[in-house]
Amino acid sequence: LAKTTQPISMDSYEGQEVNITCSHNNIATNDYITWYQQFPSQGPRFIIQGYKTKVTNEVASLFIPADRKSSTLSLPRVSLSDTAVYYCLVGLANAGGTSYGKLTFGQGTILTVHP
Amino acid sequence: DTGVSQDPRHKITKRGQNVTFRCDPISEHNRLYWYRQTLGQGPEFLTYFQNEAQLEKSRLLSDRFSAERPKGSFSTLEIQRTEQGDSAMYLCASSFREGGGNIQYFGAGTRLSVL
Repeated sequence: LAKTTQPISMDSYEGQEVNITCSHNNIATNDYITWYQQFPSQGPRFIIQGYKTKVTNEVASLFIPADRKSSTLSLPRVSLSDTAVYYCLVGLANAGGTSYGKLTFGQGTILTVHP
Repeated sequence: DTGVSQDPRHKITKRGQNVTFRCDPISEHNRLYWYRQTLGQGPEFLTYFQNEAQLEKSRLLSDRFSAERPKGSFSTLEIQRTEQGDSAMYLCASSFREGGGNIQYFGAGTRLSVL
């Protein structure tokens, strides 16, 4: 599975846009890019998933350049409640093979939003 | 609430004791996963089931660990002869294999403390 690299931590202020970039140089053709959010003492929560170009939902946007070797999670106008750990994962989305059911998490990015 | 449910939320035990955790997945999901998470790290895959079949086990899952999903619905994770190194958050997730992009939905976890 492709390895991901993301910043260990980021700081922001309420109302700002936050962009977290993830590098995945060895991404495979069939790999999708998925982001999860995790609050202390809770399980990770799915935020967004994409394959190429741009994906937007009610929570975030995901930008993926043409070479797909990186991706950027964009959180518009963050609030204090967005303080969490954000994980970037790369792997098969529609997993037909038994080897790809699992998710492989890195250490994630600790986002701290200040008042 | 129709999300993934885990019980208990917290478990304190003495070294050498056996413990069992339960996970109830989202009802229509046919895949169920177990992960372990230690402080400051991302979740690590332990094992997963498709219906009642256990399809993959991590090398992290020593012979003291066993997981079952007898009727393809809820699952149990048992740890025998617990060790202090077993102290962690144990997370359960579920997904629906057909479509859905293998998006996994996590429970709140069971925090195990081995004294």
